[in-house]
Amino acid sequence: EVQLVESGGGLVQPGMSLRLACAASGFIFDEYAMHWVRQVPGKGLEWVSGISWNSASIGYADSVKGRFTISRDNAKNSLYLQMNSLRAEDTALYYCAKGTAIFQLLHGMDVWGQGTTVTVSS
Amino acid sequence: AIQMTQSPSSLSASVGDRVTITCRASQGIRNDLGWYQQKPGKAPKLLIYAASNLQSGVPSRFSGSGSGTDFTLTISSLQPEDFATYYCLQDSNYPYTFGQGTKLEIK
Repeated sequence: EVQLVESGGGLVQPGMSLRLACAASGFIFDEYAMHWVRQVPGKGLEWVSGISWNSASIGYADSVKGRFTISRDNAKNSLYLQMNSLRAEDTALYYCAKGTAIFQLLHGMDVWGQGTTVTVSS
Repeated sequence: AIQMTQSPSSLSASVGDRVTITCRASQGIRNDLGWYQQKPGKAPKLLIYAASNLQSGVPSRFSGSGSGTDFTLTISSLQPEDFATYYCLQDSNYPYTFGQGTKLEIK
C-alpha cells in the first residue's frame, strides 16, 4: 500500500524553526517528485514547495521563499521541510504529497498523507 | 506567479444534475492542470490530470477539458458522494498555484 506519514508539527513561537518530515512507503520513492501543500482550517489549499525525484528541481511559493527549505533523502524514503522564521500566517495543516508520474514534475499529486499541524503563536 | 481564478466559489445542485466548474489561468499553461476533490477532514483526492485525463479509479461521470488559459471540470450526473469542495491546480511552472475552491452543496 502506498502511504505517506507526516510528522514534526507542533506549537512554536513566531520567529522560531520547525522541521517537518514525511515517511514514504509502498512505492519507489526516488522515481517521483514530492510536494508540501498546506491548508489553514476552513480555507483553501496552498502549494508550498516541490522537489524533483533527484533534487535537481526545487520550487517554493512566494509566501515561503527564503524561509523554508525542502529536501529529500532517497536512501531513507523521506521528504523534509525545514521551516525557519515562522510567522502566525504559517499556521496550517501541512500535507505531504507524491507526484503522479514517474520521473516527471507534471500531472499533479496522486497520493497524500493525512497532514501534520503547525501552529505559530506566542 | 500564475494566478488561477476558479468559479463559482459555491454551487448548489441536486442529485442527478450536471455541473460545471471553471478555472482560468492568468497566462497560458498548456494542459498542465489538475482537478482535486476534498471532503471535510480528509486529504485532497486527484480526479483529473493534464486537463482531461481521468485518474485511475475515478468515476467516468467526472471529466475535464480545456487548454491554454481556460479549463472546465464537469460532473455529468451528481451523486450524493460528490458533494465536496473542488480545486484546480496548475503545475506548469513553479510556483504551482491552486484555485480558490468551489464548494458544491446539496440543494
